[in-house]
Amino acid sequence: DTEVTQTPKHLVMGMTNKKSLKCEQHMGHRAMYWYKQKAKKPPELMFVYSYEKLSINESVPSRFSPECPNSSLLNLHLHALQPEDSALYLCASSQDLTARVNYGYTFGSGTRLTVV
Amino acid sequence: AQKVTQAQTEISVVEKEDVTLDCVYETRDTTYYLFWYKQPPSGELVFLIRRNSFDEQNEISGRYSWNFQKSTSSFNFTITASQVVDSAVYFCALSEVTTDSWGKLQFGAGTQVVVTP
Repeated sequence: DTEVTQTPKHLVMGMTNKKSLKCEQHMGHRAMYWYKQKAKKPPELMFVYSYEKLSINESVPSRFSPECPNSSLLNLHLHALQPEDSALYLCASSQDLTARVNYGYTFGSGTRLTVV
Repeated sequence: AQKVTQAQTEISVVEKEDVTLDCVYETRDTTYYLFWYKQPPSGELVFLIRRNSFDEQNEISGRYSWNFQKSTSSFNFTITASQVVDSAVYFCALSEVTTDSWGKLQFGAGTQVVVTP
């Protein structure tokens, strides 16, 4: 299995809703990432997890709450979002960050989020 | 500061023409990795190539080729004999090893390639 699976593919939520995005990989990768991509812009890093521990938080607002319950699963909990948070949310994984060798990243197909 | 510069916003070509995408990067690290990704309208980022800073060999893969020049901090990408299926946004990206942001992939702004029949 060489895929990163993201669910749901599309999500529409109101500003008072609570929802979660899910990301799963079974490649044995120990690093997982959340990226946010606005229309016609490059992806921007939000969070990095290494061995289930948060290693990078790019000053993301607290209405986005990541969680890595095990090495295969990464969640992004959403609460009280704003319309400007509408974007494509991409999950990625990579082998291992401890060795300081970058073997590359595998990206999921993303969740298109619309906040109304 | 922008670490990866893709100066071309959009390139339009007719099928079978060659197209070259420019990428210039900036880093103080001696060890780093460069990537190219393709993003079709469906949204998924498709990996094309990874190159580390110690490997300056150019590479060819089918209709794709890459020219890595450390002296000019450039990592350019050429599509030979373009096809309509090559229409997508192409991102160049940098990963620096010896910084606090190890693991972070920093993307250029992307170049939209439009191939018309």
